[in-house]
Amino acid sequence: GAGVSQSPRYKVAKRGQDVALRCDPISGHVSLFWYQQALGQGPEFLTYFQNEAQLDKSGLPSDRFFAERPEGSVSTLKIQRTQQEDSAVYLCASSWGQESSYEQYFGPGTRLTVT
Amino acid sequence: AQSVTQPDIHITVSEGASLELRCNYSYGATPYLFWYVQSPGQGLQLLLKYFSGDTLVQGIKGFEAEFKRSQSSFNLRKPSVHWSDAAEYFCAVGAAVNRDDKIIFGKGTRLHILP
Repeated sequence: GAGVSQSPRYKVAKRGQDVALRCDPISGHVSLFWYQQALGQGPEFLTYFQNEAQLDKSGLPSDRFFAERPEGSVSTLKIQRTQQEDSAVYLCASSWGQESSYEQYFGPGTRLTVT
Repeated sequence: AQSVTQPDIHITVSEGASLELRCNYSYGATPYLFWYVQSPGQGLQLLLKYFSGDTLVQGIKGFEAEFKRSQSSFNLRKPSVHWSDAAEYFCAVGAAVNRDDKIIFGKGTRLHILP
């Protein structure tokens, strides 16, 4: 079956523009996670959904970052008024979120470059 | 708070030689531990995971890791590396109490293979 997909794969934005990054999790996966990976760093947690409920948004760096998953499947990460420090790869991961398997499956990421 | 330390930013080994990548974690209870691999332009792929039980875990691609509670370590090993193993390797820790939780990643170790 298909894995986690993300679009676009690459995004260039001028400073101040708004961007929207999309994540399509594996079908049936309950849990969805967003991570930010700066150049040369490990991924850092941004936010977590269980179905449509956003249970943890402690990693969102500012109120310019907003995520949603309105129907419990596809998720969108929105960044308003982008800044250069937002340049990073944004990774989405999903899991069954059940006793049998909490393994997170990662998508290929969206590389955001803010100029 | 959970944290992961990968003390080696870069490691270079010759093809066919053995490999050990170091990982130390900080967590107050029993952790869930992972090793992920990331090839250029690719998403994160899970190599292996430790949840409980046997402290020596086997993974894909011939990798293994050993959980040592007394040393707070979870080092990754491979007896004989192949050129295709050149990639970035991330050690990560998750909360065992709430398994469906964010993963905390180390900064990564980049593995270079000499022919």
